[in-house]
Order: sequence, then C-alpha cells, then structure tokens
Amino acid sequence: QVHLQESGSGLVKPSGTLSLTCAVSGGSISSSHWWTWVRQSPKKGLEWIGEIYHSGSTNYNPSLKSRVTMSVDETRSHFSLRLTSVTAADTAVYYCARDRRDDYNRRGFDVWGPGTLVTVS
Amino acid sequence: EIVLTQSPATLSVSPGEGATLSCRASQSVSSDLAWFQQKPGQAPRLLIYGASARATGIPARFSASGSGTEFTLTISSLQSEDFAVFYCQQYNTWPRTFGQGTKVEIK
Repeated sequence: QVHLQESGSGLVKPSGTLSLTCAVSGGSISSSHWWTWVRQSPKKGLEWIGEIYHSGSTNYNPSLKSRVTMSVDETRSHFSLRLTSVTAADTAVYYCARDRRDDYNRRGFDVWGPGTLVTVS
Repeated sequence: EIVLTQSPATLSVSPGEGATLSCRASQSVSSDLAWFQQKPGQAPRLLIYGASARATGIPARFSASGSGTEFTLTISSLQSEDFAVFYCQQYNTWPRTFGQGTKVEIK
C-alpha cells in the first residue's frame, strides 16, 4: 500500500523560498502515475499547484508557474516542490498526492499525504 | 480555467436520510470528474473518479453520475461517519480545479 509523507520548512519568511519533499513508500515512484501537489487555505480552498512524472515532465498551475519548480528523485523515491518569492497568501496546508490513472485513462488523486502547514511570516 | 460551482454550500441532513450534491462546470469536462470527502484535520479522500466509478473501499451508498457540465453525488443513507465536506474536481484540462465544497452537516 502506497504511503506519502510531506516534510520541509513549516515557517518561511516573506520573499523567501518554500521547499517541501514528499516521500513515497510502499510502491514505486517510477510507476505510470503522476505525482501532484495541492494546497488548501481558508481563503482559496483547495488549489492544484502542479504535477510531475517520474521522467521529470511537469505541468504547473499558470497562476503559480513563474514561482514553482518541481523535481523528482527516483533513487530516493521522493519528489519535491519549490515555491519562490512567497507572501502571506502562500500560507496553507500543503499536500502531496498520487494521481492514479487506470486502464481506461480515468484519473484520481487516490493517495494523499497527511499534509503539512506552511506559514509565511 | 474551468470553474466548478457546487451547490448547496451547506446541506443539513438527519442520519439515515439521503443527500444529493451538485457540481456544475463552466465548460464541458466530459467524464473527467472526481469527488472527494474531507473531514476536519484530514486530507481529502477520493470517493469517485471518472464521474461515476467508486474508488477502492468506498461503500455502495455513495454513487455519482453526470457528464459534460452537470454532475451529482448521491449518498443514499447517511451514516455518522459521512458528515464532512465534499469537493468535486476536474481533470479534463490544466490547471486541475476544485469546487468550493459542500458541507454536509447533521440536522
């Protein structure tokens, strides 16, 4: 059974860089699924940040694209999020999730990490 | 980006009763829609994907239908553990987007 666990800085200064890592266990990060980051704040609700494939291919939310970088490390079985020039508006709970695709190309975020609160202050 | 509008914002239901939640997309998402349940302090939990397919381990009292721009999640007989916030999410186009949520509370 696949498990995900976020880790990283919980407090970031304004204009600084948010860095998070999601460890994948119980399954292969190199499987045919995308790996995604989602954040949640009271003001914006659930917001998709972007996704990465084990090959390194990425798709980002245009609203964050200029500040976001995602990477994957297959040898360490983790993927990472980097968000630059943060402001208070980036304060949120950040989740990593697996975007599973079935044989009919139906998709769903079926495994989630517990989430980590990042505060910009 | 595709905007998902959920209604109602809050639904008050007695245990054992049924509930119907709606999700409307600003443009067609075909059947590329998922539903999630979220309880306080927890990550969202996938209930439905492909507009109508139940995810692994999801009870049969959860069902969903729809395509294009109109979608429905139905809970046939609410159990105590079902009270939560429910979100729809589309994966037809980038960026992926979520609805604002429907809170199902105990009446």
